[in-house]
Amino acid sequence: DTGVSQDPRHKITKRGQNVTFRCDPISEHNRLYWYRQTLGQGPEFLTYFQNEAQLEKSRLLSDRFSAERPKGSFSTLEIQRTEQGDSAMYLCASSLGEVNNEQFFGPGTRLTVL
Amino acid sequence: GQSLEQPSEVTAVEGAIVQINCTYQTSGFYGLSWYQQHDGGAPTFLSYNALDGLEETGRFSSFLSRSDSYGYLLLQELQMKDSASYFCAVYSQAGTALIFGKGTTLSVSS
Repeated sequence: DTGVSQDPRHKITKRGQNVTFRCDPISEHNRLYWYRQTLGQGPEFLTYFQNEAQLEKSRLLSDRFSAERPKGSFSTLEIQRTEQGDSAMYLCASSLGEVNNEQFFGPGTRLTVL
Repeated sequence: GQSLEQPSEVTAVEGAIVQINCTYQTSGFYGLSWYQQHDGGAPTFLSYNALDGLEETGRFSSFLSRSDSYGYLLLQELQMKDSASYFCAVYSQAGTALIFGKGTTLSVSS
């Protein structure tokens, strides 16, 4: 399968714990995005990488959130000191370098904070 | 900033035609995209309009009027498998991230 993959698919954690999610984009895609989606809402943009550079961050991305894409390939999203409000589906997407190219989404990581 | 409005729910029967409207407000417009998302699934791309007019892809068509900040997704010959959420989206000011509407849930019955 050559699509976007995410790991883990589900994560249950207790409030205050740290969690880390991984995204493997389509191999030739240099753009990578993280979104968050809650029930009944559309995906909300969190952050964007072009190659290894993090070029855009949403105001939604509080200082408890950090994302990396160390070699311009896979990316990680870490949430520190999780809160119940962080419970959501975290989606990763990738695209080719042209502006306005189709974004390909992964299956998401569903986070539940107890 | 960017904002989009679309109806929250639409219902239809198999074989019918449905139009899902989307109005948007944006500073800096690159185009209007449509994505489909089945329950528990990932959003998948349906169409993209950068210029005014109608784009047709099989049973689905998408329309854009930039002067009216309006677009729609037209689904023809509806099938049960078309039951899903449909999102319109515009690009952020930087032309990178997608800003999604809240989605329209389409229910197709037999």
